[in-house]
Amino acid sequence: TQLLEQSPQFLSIQEGENLTVYCNSSSVFSSLQWYRQEPGEGPVLLVTVVTGGEVKKLKRLTFQFGDARKDSSLHITAAQTGDTGLYLCAGDQNGGATNKLIFGTGTLLAVQP
Amino acid sequence: GAGVSQSPSNKVTEKGKDVELRCDPISGHTALYWYRQSLGQGLEFLIYFQGNSAPDKSGLPSDRFSAERTGGSVSTLTIQRTQQEDSAVYLCASSLRHSNTEAFFGQGTRLTVV
Repeated sequence: TQLLEQSPQFLSIQEGENLTVYCNSSSVFSSLQWYRQEPGEGPVLLVTVVTGGEVKKLKRLTFQFGDARKDSSLHITAAQTGDTGLYLCAGDQNGGATNKLIFGTGTLLAVQP
Repeated sequence: GAGVSQSPSNKVTEKGKDVELRCDPISGHTALYWYRQSLGQGLEFLIYFQGNSAPDKSGLPSDRFSAERTGGSVSTLTIQRTQQEDSAVYLCASSLRHSNTEAFFGQGTRLTVV
């Protein structure tokens, strides 16, 4: 059973376009993380959101945690070729207790020059 | 070392053989995860260690898969009697204490079963 569904699965856009990636669940998470993975590398953390309704900005990336802490979104403004990669959300259900991170299905983004 | 180290980086094995994958986490990180990733896909959880114990091994796909961690540090994932469907990239991650702190990943071991 996949607890975190991401959409879209694949996205190919032109440089300069905007895009939004969604991470949805029926479960409540105490915190949610977003990672980016480039080919041949392991995922690297972009941001952690912990409060329902929280919005965090990282240059051209805007992350939002849903009010009910069941979903999150990642918006990229004016995409660049360097944004290409696999974007993964990851949720923590037990408030930092001894539990595992649950990873989403992933969104593969290709930004064309 | 500075980061999570996995070895080997690539492994090609014949169907039916056993393989061992190694993970050296960041020093001082008590939490360690193993994940499996198929080409272009998300991460499939395999097992989680806190120290030397594994409170969650629910993701191991069959009894051919096992993992251990010694000294609260190095972990080994063993796959016995490998099958072609075991082909994937196996990623290891470690974090300081628990799951809402940053997980640092190794570069993975690409396993190909022929």
